[in-house]
Amino acid sequence: AQSVAQPEDQVNVAEGNPLTVKCTYSVSGNPYLFWYVQYPNRGLQFLLKYITGDNLVKGSYGFEAEFNKSQTSFHLKKPSALVSDSALYFCAVRDEGTYKYIFGTGTRLKVLA
Amino acid sequence: EAGVTQSPTHLIKTRGQQATLRCSPISGHTSVYWYQQALGLGLQFLLWYDEGEERNRGNFPPRFSGRQFPNYSSELNVNALELEDSALYLCASSEDGGGTDTQYFGPGTRLTVL
Repeated sequence: AQSVAQPEDQVNVAEGNPLTVKCTYSVSGNPYLFWYVQYPNRGLQFLLKYITGDNLVKGSYGFEAEFNKSQTSFHLKKPSALVSDSALYFCAVRDEGTYKYIFGTGTRLKVLA
Repeated sequence: EAGVTQSPTHLIKTRGQQATLRCSPISGHTSVYWYQQALGLGLQFLLWYDEGEERNRGNFPPRFSGRQFPNYSSELNVNALELEDSALYLCASSEDGGGTDTQYFGPGTRLTVL
């Protein structure tokens, strides 16, 4: 069965510092991986996805994610955090059989000024 | 281009009543997905509709149902509401439901059951 784990409930980082939000996955076939961000009382906004190709995926708002097959990880990164990046981040894997997304439990990112 | 829209924004019902939530996908998208985001439980997959047919459902009781209309909009019905149905219900759409299509989410409907 496909699954996604986000080991950190919360990540704190100072503005201007690099940030990493961790995600590991378990899939039986090819991994289709996604990152979404959710601001308070809002829906999810798509950030980026990995389907195939380069292990470093670039997305919206300066975010990128590194796909690592040997470590089954898909960590979200940004070189320089902004206070406005503070939000809830979800990693998701697409189930190959049903096409539904399986979401991690979310990581709350807090960027401190 | 307009995104996924959902109505109403908020819905307050009492236990035992029925709730109807609506979703309009992005123009050109034929697949609609419903998710429940309950406090402390994360996002749980509810239903997937594509081309008017229910393609898959999550681990929810039959009182959660829905349909997709010829214009690809969708509604989610929740019968015999229970207190634990209180949650944010998110709708997402994608171009055709298969392949590597990205799901784009609406702002959600906050359902409160009293």
